[in-house]
Amino acid sequence: QVQVQESGPGLVKPSETLSLTCTVSGDSMADYYWSWIRQPAGKGLEWIGRMHNSGSTKYNPSLKSRAAMSLDTSKNQFFLHLTSVTAADTAVYYCARDRPFSGDYWRLDPWGLGTLVTVSS
Amino acid sequence: QSVLTQPPSTSGTPGQRVTISCSGSSSNIGSNTVTWYQQLPGTAPKLLIYKTNQRPSGVPDRFSGSKSGTSASLAISGLQSEDEAHYYCAAWDNSLNGLFGGGTQLTVL
Repeated sequence: QVQVQESGPGLVKPSETLSLTCTVSGDSMADYYWSWIRQPAGKGLEWIGRMHNSGSTKYNPSLKSRAAMSLDTSKNQFFLHLTSVTAADTAVYYCARDRPFSGDYWRLDPWGLGTLVTVSS
Repeated sequence: QSVLTQPPSTSGTPGQRVTISCSGSSSNIGSNTVTWYQQLPGTAPKLLIYKTNQRPSGVPDRFSGSKSGTSASLAISGLQSEDEAHYYCAAWDNSLNGLFGGGTQLTVL
């Protein structure tokens, strides 16, 4: 049974880069897209973007090119880097397995437990 | 403000049937499948419905999804206290962007 878990610093200073790791266990990363999603406290979900091992990547346009993702299948890890962060980037960040590479419908399952990132000086 | 519109809240009594709506447009719900997620208090979201009306294994058949045009609905029959949660619809947009609804808080009275 596939499981995903987020990790990274809980506190990032304004204007710096937020870097998170998603570790996948129980399945190969090669056949799926992998996504990052975030949720500010008391608010809804926002899809950040997704990546496949082939290099195929999609990002939410609202992030204005601040997001970058990478993937290391040898370590079963998936990464998010978000540059020039502000207080508005404070949120719980989730990683999730996205659809199969050859699939034709969008689904996120399973999700990690999430990691809280606070942007503050 | 989310592109997919859900009512902020709804409520029902145990045993009742409730529905949650999700309104989009021709570029998302109108041309792609809809997914629903359940988020219990203090936990991560969990896949509830995928491909508009399919339930993953382990999800009770009390939960069902449907779509008509550019709107989708989640129905919960035989409401139980443990169904109290936030529910989010989601759909892929043809602009190559994943979209979530703003979420609906379901209260079981």
